[in-house]
Amino acid sequence: SYELTQPPSVSVSPGQTARITCSGDALPKKYASWYQQKSGQAPVLVIYEDRKRPSGIPERFSGSSSGTMATLTISGAQVEDEADYYCYSTDSSGNLRLFGGGTKLTVL
Amino acid sequence: EVQLVESGGGLVQPGGSLKLSCAASGFNFSVSAMQWVRQASGKGLEWVGRIRSKANNYATAYAASVKGRFTISRDDSRNTAYLQMNSLKTEDTAVYYCTRGEDYWGQGTLVTVSS
Repeated sequence: SYELTQPPSVSVSPGQTARITCSGDALPKKYASWYQQKSGQAPVLVIYEDRKRPSGIPERFSGSSSGTMATLTISGAQVEDEADYYCYSTDSSGNLRLFGGGTKLTVL
Repeated sequence: EVQLVESGGGLVQPGGSLKLSCAASGFNFSVSAMQWVRQASGKGLEWVGRIRSKANNYATAYAASVKGRFTISRDDSRNTAYLQMNSLKTEDTAVYYCTRGEDYWGQGTLVTVSS
């Protein structure tokens, strides 16, 4: 079955750039979205269609995609960006959706 | 303001059934695809399934883990989406979220399957 693969954890110091990757065979033809989930809260969409940012999301959040890998970049990460991040996409048929396993971002 | 409010969660025995509701407001519900996502305690997000709009024939799709046991439906006159869960297993224990497409999420409702 199709899978999206993320690193379990990423750690950066405040002000550094954090990059979280998501790999999947269908990504060259399918968009990726990214969600931020803080402890005890519902997920929040931070990037959609590979690189678009919803209103209200800080500009330090950006997305890109190349080949079989999508990347979420947080430029100048802040302590409040500590959270779990999930990529989200579809399989090659476009019918089934799925999430990556999630990446725990630590900023300290 | 977009609001999604899930209800209907609770404790159910293995093999039992439960129906979740998702009451929507603040947007044109009838033209929106709706989906359900779940999250077991301490685990990642798992897509459960989705239902498209009337214009897309109310087409549904389900994750392999729930196909044949769960059914998603909607009542556009009530701005409400539903998740009917049958033959529940202990591994179905999770917080269930309703979402509008990819962008807005409810706060979730807890389903516990246990004897």
